[in-house]
Amino acid sequence: KAGVTQTPRYLIKTRGQQVTLSCSPISGHRSVSWYQQTPGQGLQFLFEYFSETQRNKGNFPGRFSGRQFSNSRSEMNVSTLELGDSALYLCASSVTGGLNTEAFFGQGTRLTVV
Amino acid sequence: DQQVKQNSPSLSVQEGRISILNCDYTNSMFDYFLWYKKYPAEGPTFLISISSIKDKNEDGRFTVFLNKSAKHLSLHIVPSQPGDSAVYFCAASERALGGGATNKLIFGTGTLLAVQP
Repeated sequence: KAGVTQTPRYLIKTRGQQVTLSCSPISGHRSVSWYQQTPGQGLQFLFEYFSETQRNKGNFPGRFSGRQFSNSRSEMNVSTLELGDSALYLCASSVTGGLNTEAFFGQGTRLTVV
Repeated sequence: DQQVKQNSPSLSVQEGRISILNCDYTNSMFDYFLWYKKYPAEGPTFLISISSIKDKNEDGRFTVFLNKSAKHLSLHIVPSQPGDSAVYFCAASERALGGGATNKLIFGTGTLLAVQP
């Protein structure tokens, strides 16, 4: 069974540009969550999608957005990139998205903003 | 406001001995706790979890203990192996407002475990 797949693995962008990251969850998983990992802030929750609807959102500015498609694949978009957006972006999928379910992570996309 | 805290940034243990990683939390609404292992530039790998209605869960060499009154949980690895060397994250899940489901995880800052051969 394939795991969570994130593309691309590495990305370099310039300040002011926008970027789209992709996540394909484990087959059968309907919940997809996104996290940002930085050395200073650790792993922080961005948002969660379930059945194409955003179900929960973290404390990030509106420049960070996402969506989920009918096949559960998800994308996140960051507009007007800032240097501080440089981070490892992680996607996690869960079976039902209910309580007490484990989240399985992809390998992440390393975004560098120059 | 750090709701999940791992106060030990690093821990060094001899191979074959027990590793004990600790985690404290402040939010009494947390009802599910998980431990993840992470290598650099990779995503976290799920290890073990525990519901707030239990005080212990065991899976092979890994055991998680939960003390709700102290808002404390710990991960025991025994015996420790060099391949266990990684960063370990404690995470907690809270019931969403209105009681609905959510997969929002709040992570601690991690503990770097080094198992010496």
